[in-house]
Amino acid sequence: TQLLEQSPQFLSIQEGENLTVYCNSSSVFSSLQWYRQEPGEGPVLLVTVVTGGEVKKLKRLTFQFGDARKDSSLHITAAQPGDTGLYLCAGDRSGGYQKVTFGTGTKLQVIP
Amino acid sequence: KAGVTQTPRYLIKTRGQQVTLSCSPISGHRSVSWYQQTPGQGLQFLFEYFSETQRNKGNFPGRFSGRQFSNSRSEMNVSTLELGDSALYLCASSLAQGGNTQYFGPGTRLTVL
Repeated sequence: TQLLEQSPQFLSIQEGENLTVYCNSSSVFSSLQWYRQEPGEGPVLLVTVVTGGEVKKLKRLTFQFGDARKDSSLHITAAQPGDTGLYLCAGDRSGGYQKVTFGTGTKLQVIP
Repeated sequence: KAGVTQTPRYLIKTRGQQVTLSCSPISGHRSVSWYQQTPGQGLQFLFEYFSETQRNKGNFPGRFSGRQFSNSRSEMNVSTLELGDSALYLCASSLAQGGNTQYFGPGTRLTVL
């Protein structure tokens, strides 16, 4: 059973369009991270959200952590070809010894 | 500050062989975690080391093992390789045990023939 489900699984859009990626779980997380991974490379951390309802902006990317800390979303405005990649959410459950669990991933392709 | 480094970047082995992968964390980071990434299963947690001790372990067979040295560098070993072990193996470092902010290396692409 996947602890973190991402949707959509694949997304192909034209340059300039907006998009939203969702990360959902039935579990509560103490924090949640979003990563972007390019082919053949490791994931690169984009943001960490820790407070329920928190919204963080990173240029054209907006990240939101759900009020109940069970879900998160990533919104990209005016997508560019450089945004192409695999987007992964990762949740950390409180407890100090808990490992981080990664979501199923969303593969985004932005066509010029 | 230098990032996480992994060696080698690419590796080709045959079934039954064993392999050792190496990871050097960011300076000052004491926790190292290992992940296996495949197209079908995504990113799956293997184990985490902190202060030379394995602190967490994922659901992988005993053929997968690791260790951490006093300088926080870590190695992962896979014995009796199977075709299904072909994957990208990623190492991530963080400041503290169970740290929620992890920094990943570029990975080692292992192909088992």
